[in-house]
Amino acid sequence: ETGVTQSPTHLIKTRGQQVTLRCSSQSGHNTVSWYQQALGQGPQFIFQYYREEENGRGNFPPRFSGLQFPNYSSELNVNALELDDSALYLCASSPPGTGRTGELFFGEGSRLTVL
Amino acid sequence: GEDVEQSLFLSVREGDSSVINCTYTDSSSTYLYWYKQEPGAGLQLLTYIFSNMDMKQDQRLTVLLNKKDKHLSLRIADTQTGDSAIYFCAERPGGGSARQLTFGSGTQLTVLP
Repeated sequence: ETGVTQSPTHLIKTRGQQVTLRCSSQSGHNTVSWYQQALGQGPQFIFQYYREEENGRGNFPPRFSGLQFPNYSSELNVNALELDDSALYLCASSPPGTGRTGELFFGEGSRLTVL
Repeated sequence: GEDVEQSLFLSVREGDSSVINCTYTDSSSTYLYWYKQEPGAGLQLLTYIFSNMDMKQDQRLTVLLNKKDKHLSLRIADTQTGDSAIYFCAERPGGGSARQLTFGSGTQLTVLP
């Protein structure tokens, strides 16, 4: 069984640019969440997608946006990059039936560096 | 707002027990979690506990929850060098979406031979 896969694994951008990060959810999982993990910190919730719609959002500005596709894969888009956006971006998928327990299955992340 | 706090570092000898502690502030938390992160990897769910339980055991892992003091702990019995990693405590607040967890900053566990 393939787990959550993310691409690219590393990338470097400059301030003001835009970035798209991709995530394939684990087989059978229908919910995708995105988290930002700054160096030395715990992950922070960005948003969650279910049935191709955002249905939960953390304290992140609108320049962070996302998509979920019919095959449950997802994208995270960040516009007008700032230096503080440098972080590890983690995608997590969840199987049906975990809406109460909230279990997350994480990918290995995409490390974004903004210069 | 919600806040989860953990001590930053813990060092133990191989074969000893490790106890990692966590405090949280949201009294409406429904579930609490322990995740493990190895270098260069994502987070791996170790175990979770429902807020109306006070203990959960899963092989070498024991989770204790003191809801009155908002204190959560993870005990790892017979700690091995492969247990060296960062351990994150997380809570699911009473409000918010199901996967909107609040994580602590992590405890770096070092297991010495």
